[in-house]
Amino acid sequence: DAKTTQPTSMDCAEGRAANLPCNHSTISGNEYVYWYRQIHSQGPQYIIHGLKNNETNEMASLIITEDRKSSTLILPHATLRDTAVYYCIVRVAGVSNNAGNMLTFGGGTRLMVKP
Amino acid sequence: GAVVSQHPSWVICKSGTSVKIECRSLDFQATTMFWYRQFPKQSLMLMATSNEGSKATYEQGVEKDKFLINHASLTLSTLTVTSAHPEDSSFYICSARGIDRTYYNEQFFGPGTRLTVL
Repeated sequence: DAKTTQPTSMDCAEGRAANLPCNHSTISGNEYVYWYRQIHSQGPQYIIHGLKNNETNEMASLIITEDRKSSTLILPHATLRDTAVYYCIVRVAGVSNNAGNMLTFGGGTRLMVKP
Repeated sequence: GAVVSQHPSWVICKSGTSVKIECRSLDFQATTMFWYRQFPKQSLMLMATSNEGSKATYEQGVEKDKFLINHASLTLSTLTVTSAHPEDSSFYICSARGIDRTYYNEQFFGPGTRLTVL
């Protein structure tokens, strides 16, 4: 799986949009971009994933650049409960072998939402 | 849907004892379950991958005789930390991969188990 690079930490004011960047310059054509988050002392929670088109769900929006070398996760109206470590992961989806299903977690971005 | 539970949520044990952690997929069947370990202020590290009915595949540096994994059914995998020592104290997290059309190839994580070895 391709490596990702994320800022170590970010702050965001409550109610404002949180934009979390991720670089994945070595991403392959069949690799998806996945975002998970981990609130303190809990298991990771799936947020969103995409291949090349921008995606939106009830939690967030994912913007992927045209060359797919970077992406941005957007939390439109951050709340205090969004304080967590956010992980950007690239992996191949839709495969049946274990290697294709592995998730390799990097350091992530520690997002602190402040009142 | 896609709920994964772990039991216990936390456990404290004496050095030298064994501890079993259960991981269950509550509303879906999982052919593959993954076990991760997370030390304080660090990221998740994959320990092993288990497939229902077969032996687990361990990552490099993880002792298979110390961390026994059993995946006896499509909804249950267990991790047993044998002869636990203080350095095994960590947050253990499992994830499960679904087999049906809805959950195929996505991983869903359990809430984690905090192990403290005295």
